[in-house]
Amino acid sequence: EAQVTQNPRYLITVTGKKLTVTCSQNMNHEYMSWYRQDPGLGLRQIYYSMNVEVTDKGDVPEGYKVSRKEKRNFPLILESPSPNQTSLYFCASSFSPGVAYNEQFFGPGTRLTVL
Amino acid sequence: DQQVKQNSPSLSVQEGRISILNCDYTNSMFDYFLWYKKYPAEGPTFLISISSIKDKNEDGRFTVFLNKSAKHLSLHIVPSQPGDSAVYFCAARNPNAGGTSYGKLTFGQGTILTVHP
Repeated sequence: EAQVTQNPRYLITVTGKKLTVTCSQNMNHEYMSWYRQDPGLGLRQIYYSMNVEVTDKGDVPEGYKVSRKEKRNFPLILESPSPNQTSLYFCASSFSPGVAYNEQFFGPGTRLTVL
Repeated sequence: DQQVKQNSPSLSVQEGRISILNCDYTNSMFDYFLWYKKYPAEGPTFLISISSIKDKNEDGRFTVFLNKSAKHLSLHIVPSQPGDSAVYFCAARNPNAGGTSYGKLTFGQGTILTVHP
């Protein structure tokens, strides 16, 4: 089954304790992205990656890191989480857009609470 | 600066009637518009899209209308079903942003649709 998986689905942590949210896709997609969803703000892009070893900042990259060592995986790293990073996080992937825009496929989300 | 806005946080509709979800945008560079549906505890799933060179796209019960002069798009669901109850996000792509050939997607805040039996 074609899918994007994220782990963990739920996480409660404390300020300053490093954490990693994993993301994996089995569709051989080149493009992967991380979003956070907050009430009244919709989905905002954190980081994206066009391909292996190619990553760049989105709209809200502060406090986050990513890596893309393999095509299928795109982990999101919070080196020193703070309460303002409490949010719902989504990983997404898509093929190269080509002529028409190819929609992004989203993972199920990770609910993160930073105390 | 919210370039894509969904001004109605929620919408309640009776089963069988039409649901109309609205989205306004400010950036005339947007060339593709998409609607995503999101159920609780799941990620958004793609629903329907429209290119800026069209004014209507239909897929079964779902139709998206684009009014470029008004910078407005809407999603019509006819007839509405209880299973359509979800959060709906509109999104727009700027092909010249993001520094890549993918462009950049900007999402609205979302509208919670509730369809009552």
